[in-house]
Amino acid sequence: EAQVTQNPRYLITVTGKKLTVTCSQNMNHEYMSWYRQDPGLGLRQIYYSMNVEVTDKGDVPEGYKVSRKEKRNFPLILESPSPNQTSLYFCASSDLQQWGSTDTQYFGPGTRLTVL
Amino acid sequence: KNEVEQSPQNLTAQEGEFITINCSYSVGISALHWLQQHPGGGIVSLFMLSSGKKKHGRLIATINIQEKHSSLHITASHPRDSAVYICAVISNFGNEKLTFGTGTRLTIIP
Repeated sequence: EAQVTQNPRYLITVTGKKLTVTCSQNMNHEYMSWYRQDPGLGLRQIYYSMNVEVTDKGDVPEGYKVSRKEKRNFPLILESPSPNQTSLYFCASSDLQQWGSTDTQYFGPGTRLTVL
Repeated sequence: KNEVEQSPQNLTAQEGEFITINCSYSVGISALHWLQQHPGGGIVSLFMLSSGKKKHGRLIATINIQEKHSSLHITASHPRDSAVYICAVISNFGNEKLTFGTGTRLTIIP
């Protein structure tokens, strides 16, 4: 089954304790991306990757790191989480069209993170 | 001013009604996405448009590049269509950043 998986689905942690949220896709997609969703602000893009070893900042990259060492995985790293990173996080992947733009995006189920 | 504006923010309608959700954007774009977020939180991509019109079942999406406007229509609406509908654009500045509207919450009453 074609899917994007995220782990963990729920996480409660404390300020400053490094954490990683994993994202994996089994569709051989080139494009992967991380978003956060907050009430009143909607979805905002954190980082995206057009291919292995290629990553770019979205609108809200501060406090986050990503890596794309393999095509299928795109982990999101919070090296020193703070309470303002409490949010619902989504990973997504897609093919790239002939002219390089993203095609239909497939979303993971979301990770609800609480930083105390 | 947000780059992507959706209207209305909330919409309640009776089952069977024709629904229109609008999305206006202020930047040049290479593509526009319509997403559906279910009450449980999951997000599904409905359409990706770069021009014209697309149809899938009871859903129709149109885009007017010159007017920087897109609409999502639902015909013969049903309570299972109740969800948040989100518009997102990819600018044509040579990157693949997505910018999202804040969504339209649709409630269909039986």
